[in-house]
Amino acid sequence: DAGITQSPRHKVTETGTPVTLRCHQTENHRYMYWYRQDPGHGLRLIHYSYGVKDTDKGEVSDGYSVSRSKTEDFLLTLESATSSQTSVYFCAISESAATTSSGNTIYFGEGSWLTVV
Amino acid sequence: SQQGEEDPQALSIQEGENATMNCSYKTSINNLQWYRQNSGRGLVHLILIRSNEREKHSGRLRVTLDTSKKSSSLLITASRAADTASYFCATPSSGNQAGTALIFGKGTTLSVSS
Repeated sequence: DAGITQSPRHKVTETGTPVTLRCHQTENHRYMYWYRQDPGHGLRLIHYSYGVKDTDKGEVSDGYSVSRSKTEDFLLTLESATSSQTSVYFCAISESAATTSSGNTIYFGEGSWLTVV
Repeated sequence: SQQGEEDPQALSIQEGENATMNCSYKTSINNLQWYRQNSGRGLVHLILIRSNEREKHSGRLRVTLDTSKKSSSLLITASRAADTASYFCATPSSGNQAGTALIFGKGTTLSVSS
């Protein structure tokens, strides 16, 4: 298994509070991603990083921010949590970009279950 | 961004039968991947097929790619109860940083009963 640790694994928080999810990798992979998974929507990309301090938005980035100050850590922050952000959040890593000729196998963490009440 | 769409959404079969899942996508790609997710777990990579390949095998898995139809299929032969999981196709995103990320479909939920 790829060395990816997500924390916390489970969290219940109140509407309006900030929440930070942490992803830590021991593989020294350049690319890191945050996805959310919801019934009926599959996995949707929130933000990704292509290097330290280099990040970009995915398809559902509103209400989320990210930071990557070290290769091994990628933080996802919900600035003011809403009930619509109740979801399972997956961190993922890869060595290369998706469109390289060999593709990029993505390795996923075990997920963080977030409930906003 | 583009997204693969799997079909069917759900599939129930008996052990020993073959399971076929399909994926359609919207724009040109240079590779397509399939992932598996067991309940409550993260996704696991199964197989990657490049745009210049038409078919690829890995154990009991067979993946085909038809770039003219923008579609792919995943065949699992001689299914086992342990194959019960959700299966996702994934394609490189378009329109952002050099197609860095993978975009996933909504998945096919496979149930194999013994």
